[in-house]
Formats: sequence, structure tokens, C-alpha cells
Amino acid sequence: QVQLQESGPGLVKPSQTLSLTCTVSGGSISSGSYYWSWIRQPAGKGLEWIGRIYTSGSTNYNPSLKSRVTISVDTSKNQFSLKLSSVTAADTAVYYCARELSRGNWFDPWGQGTLVTVSS
Amino acid sequence: DIQLTQSPSFLSASVGDRVTITCRASQGISSYLAWYQQKPGKAPKLLIYAASTLQSGVPSRFSGSGSGTEFTLTISSLQPEDFATYYCQQLNSYPLFGGGTKVEIK
Repeated sequence: QVQLQESGPGLVKPSQTLSLTCTVSGGSISSGSYYWSWIRQPAGKGLEWIGRIYTSGSTNYNPSLKSRVTISVDTSKNQFSLKLSSVTAADTAVYYCARELSRGNWFDPWGQGTLVTVSS
Repeated sequence: DIQLTQSPSFLSASVGDRVTITCRASQGISSYLAWYQQKPGKAPKLLIYAASTLQSGVPSRFSGSGSGTEFTLTISSLQPEDFATYYCQQLNSYPLFGGGTKVEIK
């Protein structure tokens, strides 16, 4: 079955850009009617959707983060990526990637998550 | 903007109890709602989508109901592995999650 795995630096300095990659295995990122999404969760808090990409390259972002977020896809590597610029301590969180059904918008499966800490 | 309010935020229950969690939307969202279970240190797991459809592999003691603005997740007989935090998510427009309900052992 499809599995997702996040990767990237666990520590980012304030004002810099957070960069994460999600690698999809067990299936092609281009197959089926799916979006590929990023979601984050600060420690002890709830879930916040960051944005999504379709394999055509079309994107949607959370309005509260839109000015700082870029999501891209590399179908040749079966990967999609997140860039979040001008980070602050408030961006410290576990970041998850997930597959989102395009005709339903629920998330399944999820990656295991990766903790990103913003600190100097 | 649509807001989702879960209640209660915390719930203390015993094994075998029937547990009900409520999710209220600030405006009608038809049946566009999903429920997730999250255990500490783990990613959320999809339990129910379209308000009442059980995801494959999820035990039948979980059920969902509701439409419009009020939805419920029911666990008919709480099992030890069900102690976790539960989130609702609205499926309209851009994804939005409720604040979560932590189910703890009584």
C-alpha cells in the first residue's frame, strides 16, 4: 500500500526557510485522483492544514500561511516538497505529509511526521 | 470562515463505556466531515469519512452520524487501544480540523 515519508532538517534558524520533502512509495504519485498535502501540529496542539498540490502542479494554500508557503512536486522522484519562508518559533511543529482524496478531501494515509524546531 | 468546535475537550471513561464526541460546524457542511484518531507520537489515522462511512479496517465499534452542523463520533464499547485524541475535519473548501477530544482512562 501507499506509504509516505517526510525528510528534511530538524532545526531551522529564525528568518530562514524551512524545507521538507515527502517521498511516496508503494504507488505512483501521478496515479489516481489525489492531492498531496502538508499538515502541521505544534506540540500539544491541534492540526493545521498548510497546503496541497495536484500532480498537474496546481496548488492551494491555507490563507493564513499563503504568503510564505510554496509546495512543489517532482513526479520523476515520486516526491513533493514544502518550503516555508521567514520562519519564527511559532512555526515549530511536527510536519506531516498526507494523501488527500480529491473528491472527498479526507487524508489517508499520513507520513509518520517530522519535528522541525525553529531556534537560533 | 467555517469553524469546527469539538466537545468535550477532555473525556474520562472506562473500558467498556459508550463514548460520544460531538463536532459542531459554524455553518452547514452537509455530510462533508471526517474523524481521525491520534495516539501520542503517531500520525492521525482516518476512522470515518463522509460523516458516517467507516474506513476499511476500522473496528465496527466506531460509528459516525450527523449532517449539516452537528456530528457525532460514537465508540460503542471503549477498548484499551481507543484511549487517544480524536479530531474532526470538515471536507468543504480548504481542510479545517476541530480542536480535538482527548479520551483518557478513568
